[in-house]
Amino acid sequence: GIQVEQSPPDLILQEGANSTLRCNFSDSVNNLQWFHQNPWGQLINLFYIPSGTKQNGRLSATTVATERYSLLYISSSQTTDSGVYFCAVEHSTGGFKTIFGAGTRLFVKA
Amino acid sequence: DGGITQSPKYLFRKEGQNVTLSCEQNLNHDAMYWYRQDPGQGLRLIYYSQIVNDFQKGDIAEGYSVSREKKESFPLTVTSAQKNPTAFYLCATGLAHTDTQYFGPGTRLTVL
Repeated sequence: GIQVEQSPPDLILQEGANSTLRCNFSDSVNNLQWFHQNPWGQLINLFYIPSGTKQNGRLSATTVATERYSLLYISSSQTTDSGVYFCAVEHSTGGFKTIFGAGTRLFVKA
Repeated sequence: DGGITQSPKYLFRKEGQNVTLSCEQNLNHDAMYWYRQDPGQGLRLIYYSQIVNDFQKGDIAEGYSVSREKKESFPLTVTSAQKNPTAFYLCATGLAHTDTQYFGPGTRLTVL
């Protein structure tokens, strides 16, 4: 099956710093989503981005489907950005199953 | 209030008992999903449904069962055949299977 790898696994930032999270996938995908899971377990969808670039406030994402990777940029980080960031893909030949990466755990220090 | 509700928030059961987790949505979404999350791990797909009266197995369906009799509801039963059921269970919905997924608050199941 398709492999989804996220890096780095853990990241500690000082408030105000910028960061880039990466998601690599091993085969072609129908779609790709980025999620943020807060410390209480709630997952919030950040981007639905099978290709191209999108921006939402301090967050932006870019997916280069032909090279099988996606990047999530966080600028001017805040303590509320802490949590786990997941990349999830739907494999083109996977029968509509969504596969999640292991996540990047982010902690933003005040 | 629009959204996805999961109940209960915490659930404790004795080993060998079946237990049913509730997922209800009023977003009028066709697609619904069940995921399992173990500590420090990503989510794994248990079952998904693209339309009423139809559902498909995900990657870890063994020991679980579902039904989709109504568009609004997609309950998950954790049976005694599930070897290690203690986990965080998340339900999600989407307009269609290729659309953005929206998650409920989750149910933490502990089997004693």
